[in-house]
Amino acid sequence: GAVVSQHPSRVICKSGTSVKIECRSLDFQATTMFWYRQFPKQSLMLMATSNEGSKATYEQGVEKDKFLINHASLTLSTLTVTSAHPEDSSFYICSARGGGRGDTQYFGPGTRLTVL
Amino acid sequence: RKEVEQDPGPFNVPEGATVAFNCTYSNSASQSFFWYRQDCRKEPKLLMSVYSSGNEDGRFTAQLNRASQYISLLIRDSKLSDSATYLCVVTLGSARQLTFGSGTQLTVLP
Repeated sequence: GAVVSQHPSRVICKSGTSVKIECRSLDFQATTMFWYRQFPKQSLMLMATSNEGSKATYEQGVEKDKFLINHASLTLSTLTVTSAHPEDSSFYICSARGGGRGDTQYFGPGTRLTVL
Repeated sequence: RKEVEQDPGPFNVPEGATVAFNCTYSNSASQSFFWYRQDCRKEPKLLMSVYSSGNEDGRFTAQLNRASQYISLLIRDSKLSDSATYLCVVTLGSARQLTFGSGTQLTVLP
């Protein structure tokens, strides 16, 4: 299957700082990338959908000014959590779709964010 | 009402047992159906797609009933390595976004 990487895999930061998470599709061009968040013992919740070169579409209840998404190239999307607070601590997972691989989404390994 | 509902479990079964998971979805316009597996603190991985005709992959059998909006997964001869959370997933909409159930936790005991 396709490979999607995320960096960093784990980050611990102080409240009020901003954190950037990168999602890369390593062996195909991802026309669409998705960002999910998963709290402990809960399922993945879609935060936003981003298509290369256009603005991300955010799900209801997700603040676009707090979670900045950039999908500037077909292999890279970034999620920036601005002014992070302890309630933003979660497991953030990206997925990528495209490159002639149909509707299959390939997931990155996730980033565990802890805000102190 | 949640869009995708699953029994959270946990299911604790002995090795070699047969275990079945159920899932219901609320939107009749849902298009595609999947079972994913998620190990602790890892990303979800696609286990299998689910079709109305039913499909089998080794010890795993999935079934879809569109009329009842019901999806099932059967695991036969369970192995210790099957221990994980099993996520029922459907797609909906022009963007074909994935909607995840909350997962069913399975522990296979020696």
